[in-house]
Amino acid sequence: AQSVTQPDIHITVSEGASLELRCNYSYGATPYLFWYVQSPGQGLQLLLKYFSGDTLVQGIKGFEAEFKRSQSSFNLRKPSVHWSDAAEYFCQGTNAGKSTFGDGTTLTVKP
Amino acid sequence: DTAVSQTPKYLVTQMGNDKSIKCEQNLGHDTMYWYKQDSKKFLKIMFSYNNKELIINETVPNRFSPKSPDKAHLNLHINSLELGDSAVYFCASSQGHLNTGELFFGEGSRLTVL
Repeated sequence: AQSVTQPDIHITVSEGASLELRCNYSYGATPYLFWYVQSPGQGLQLLLKYFSGDTLVQGIKGFEAEFKRSQSSFNLRKPSVHWSDAAEYFCQGTNAGKSTFGDGTTLTVKP
Repeated sequence: DTAVSQTPKYLVTQMGNDKSIKCEQNLGHDTMYWYKQDSKKFLKIMFSYNNKELIINETVPNRFSPKSPDKAHLNLHINSLELGDSAVYFCASSQGHLNTGELFFGEGSRLTVL
């Protein structure tokens, strides 16, 4: 079955530290991959997306993600986290008209 | 102008009641969706409509009935509400159906069934 897995339910980092959120996918073919952020009480907002081509994708708010076919991963990174990055992060995969969201990772930022 | 707007934002009601949530998008997209986010924040697609035609109807009780009067609107009506229906319901839209287009989400409608 097609799936997207986010292994980390909750991650805590200190402000200014680097961040990596993991996303693994399981699809018959390479899916389209997306990362969304959900701030408290808000809807989801797209951070970045990967379709094909360059495997390092730049997004908004200083985020980037790297597609690694060999590891079936699409991990989200940020070199220096800001307190305002505290939110829920969702990875999504889409293929052949089917879409799956990961279960989300809650990011807490310590002062 | 809000791209995807849904009303009401909060809805508190008793078990057994019928309620509706409305959604409108002004992005010119041809596909709209309803997602349910439970208390653990898991997101599940419920329905999708492409140009007013139902495309996806996941395993959702038939108490839930979506209606799309035009491609800019997708409403969700829920009959005989149950405690387990308490959740945040998100409307979303995209250009094209679950392909390369990103999803644009509304702010959610928090439904509480007492």
